[in-house]
Amino acid sequence: QKEVEQDPGPLSVPEGAIVSLNCTYSNSAFQYFMWYRQYSRKGPELLMYTYSSGNKEDGRFTAQVDKSSKYISLFIRDSQPSDSATYLCAMSAGFGNEKLTFGTGTRLTIIP
Amino acid sequence: DTAVSQTPKYLVTQMGNDKSIKCEQNLGHDTMYWYKQDSKKFLKIMFSYNNKELIINETVPNRFSPKSPDKAHLNLHINSLELGDSAVYFCASSLGGRRGNIQYFGAGTRLSVL
Repeated sequence: QKEVEQDPGPLSVPEGAIVSLNCTYSNSAFQYFMWYRQYSRKGPELLMYTYSSGNKEDGRFTAQVDKSSKYISLFIRDSQPSDSATYLCAMSAGFGNEKLTFGTGTRLTIIP
Repeated sequence: DTAVSQTPKYLVTQMGNDKSIKCEQNLGHDTMYWYKQDSKKFLKIMFSYNNKELIINETVPNRFSPKSPDKAHLNLHINSLELGDSAVYFCASSLGGRRGNIQYFGAGTRLSVL
């Protein structure tokens, strides 16, 4: 079993829909949770960054962390065609110089 | 102005050859990383350097040797290339320490071994 599990998709939704992306993990030491967005043939870019359990909102994006269930989510409201990308969750235990453990990524397509 | 730049973007080579990928960051970061992304998009850490010192060395064949001449550069040399080395290799950098989770990635080097 991988440390971080993520549904690879692909996921296609119409423009304007609410998108929910999820990851589960097994390592209870993880304290920092990130979402990266990767456009085709580009490097990943950091989208959201959260520490421990709770919610964080940034514009149309909301990240949720439930450490008790070892489950994290990314919600995208009013989805746009420009949101079409692969979304990777990443986690670390937070000791010193960080080793990020990534999910396999979910490929998302927003249909105009 | 590109923050993390890798060269070359594409690398096509024969099995058994030796090749190098270069990475430079102009963000003033202390820590740099090499990741490998396979055909299924799975991104896995290979190495990390902090101020030219190796701090993360995952289970990677010793044909892969990173070198950091200074904290702004981290190069990856691969000896005796194998078919299974075909992947996209990403360089990344961060401030390290408590801010090591916030990593900035280059655009990747697509390596194809024939």
